[in-house]
Amino acid sequence: ETGVTQTPRHLVMGMTNKKSLKCEQHLGHNAMYWYKQSAKKPLELMFVYSLEERVENNSVPSRFSPECPNSSHLFLHLHTLQPEDSALYLCASSQARMGGENEQFFGPGTRLTVL
Amino acid sequence: DAKTTQPTSMDCAEGRAANLPCNHSTISGNEYVYWYRQIHSQGPQYIIHGLKNNETNEMASLIITEDRKSSTLILPHATLRDTAVYYCIGRSGYSTLTFGKGTMLLVSP
Repeated sequence: ETGVTQTPRHLVMGMTNKKSLKCEQHLGHNAMYWYKQSAKKPLELMFVYSLEERVENNSVPSRFSPECPNSSHLFLHLHTLQPEDSALYLCASSQARMGGENEQFFGPGTRLTVL
Repeated sequence: DAKTTQPTSMDCAEGRAANLPCNHSTISGNEYVYWYRQIHSQGPQYIIHGLKNNETNEMASLIITEDRKSSTLILPHATLRDTAVYYCIGRSGYSTLTFGKGTMLLVSP
């Protein structure tokens, strides 16, 4: 247990569906992240929230929409996804601090399949 | 952030030390070296990080060369549960982690 939980663990959705992934961290951290891991590809950073403000967006398609209502919760809203969006979606949190040390703790991930 | 180079795969016998190398010849003075691992279909797990000095925790030891151009992660007594992909990452300031392809470590009986 890393102190970062994700729900659901598995999700199958059609291309016209709308769904949301949820992440919660119990570590008192001030930064949260969404990563995408496709088969046989490195992890790709999607979004970063630090102190509840989005500070980085790596040109992710608009069909992915993050929401961070407070420092403990992070959502990823999904709509009109494509089959190539099928992947493992990972949430992480960290305590960003001066000096740059920033160990990230990851949740178990949500395995998403888009039909 | 520094580009890191790791072997694609390594084997280790159970109970022996696993020494995983990483080259980061372009690392700058304020960049930390981080190690993570990912067991199949699970989220990455933080292992250890360091700047200049060697570091040790309950999971592993990190040996950083004096010129900081390379480092070695040491798992002193590898077990079957240590089979995973190990990532070496150079990171500075508030930049985010950039994961490469890592080293697939296979621990066999």
